[in-house]
Amino acid sequence: AQKVTQAQTEISVVEKEDVTLDCVYETRDTTYYLFWYKQPPSGELVFLIRRNSFDEQNEISGRYSWNFQKSTSSFNFTITASQVVDSAVYFCALSEKGYSGGGADGLTFGKGTHLIIQP
Amino acid sequence: DGGITQSPKYLFRKEGQNVTLSCEQNLNHDAMYWYRQDPGQGLRLIYYSQIVNDFQKGDIAEGYSVSREKKESFPLTVTSAQKNPTAFYLCASGWGVTGELFFGEGSRLTVL
Repeated sequence: AQKVTQAQTEISVVEKEDVTLDCVYETRDTTYYLFWYKQPPSGELVFLIRRNSFDEQNEISGRYSWNFQKSTSSFNFTITASQVVDSAVYFCALSEKGYSGGGADGLTFGKGTHLIIQP
Repeated sequence: DGGITQSPKYLFRKEGQNVTLSCEQNLNHDAMYWYRQDPGQGLRLIYYSQIVNDFQKGDIAEGYSVSREKKESFPLTVTSAQKNPTAFYLCASGWGVTGELFFGEGSRLTVL
């Protein structure tokens, strides 16, 4: 069965520090998708990134970067020069169905990491 | 604006009462989902529907029911059989191909 583990329940850093959120996943499939979502206090989940299992290139988007390593089944998320607005709960998620029917059965989420950025 | 609308945002219910949460999307997505979120538990899948007039149970379907009569709508009923219904409920939709989901703002249900 698929599983997503976010071992860090809560992280607190001072503004401008770099912070890495860990995500480890388990799946039997060779084709799958990984996701990160942000949940601000308002409650709505905001999509950040999708990565398929065949693309291990790291991705950078502004202050955000993601490191995907199949060898360790990890998909970690780093925020560089953190800001107070980054404070939120961050979820890592997995979809096993791949391209042909990908995600139609829903995503499996980790329990989330509550990130607190102190001014 | 395109998106997913959930209502009500806050709902209070007495024990023994059924309550229905609304979810409407205008993104033309085929697939729709209901998740439940409890503190420290992440999101757990209740029900999902890949096409109109068809739906499947997720991991925690007991005590819940859904319908999918229109592509745009996927209401969730929390029945009196649900033993611990107080939670935050999130509706989502997607095309199903890549798995990316788009979420509504959620409905917070409190049982008094």
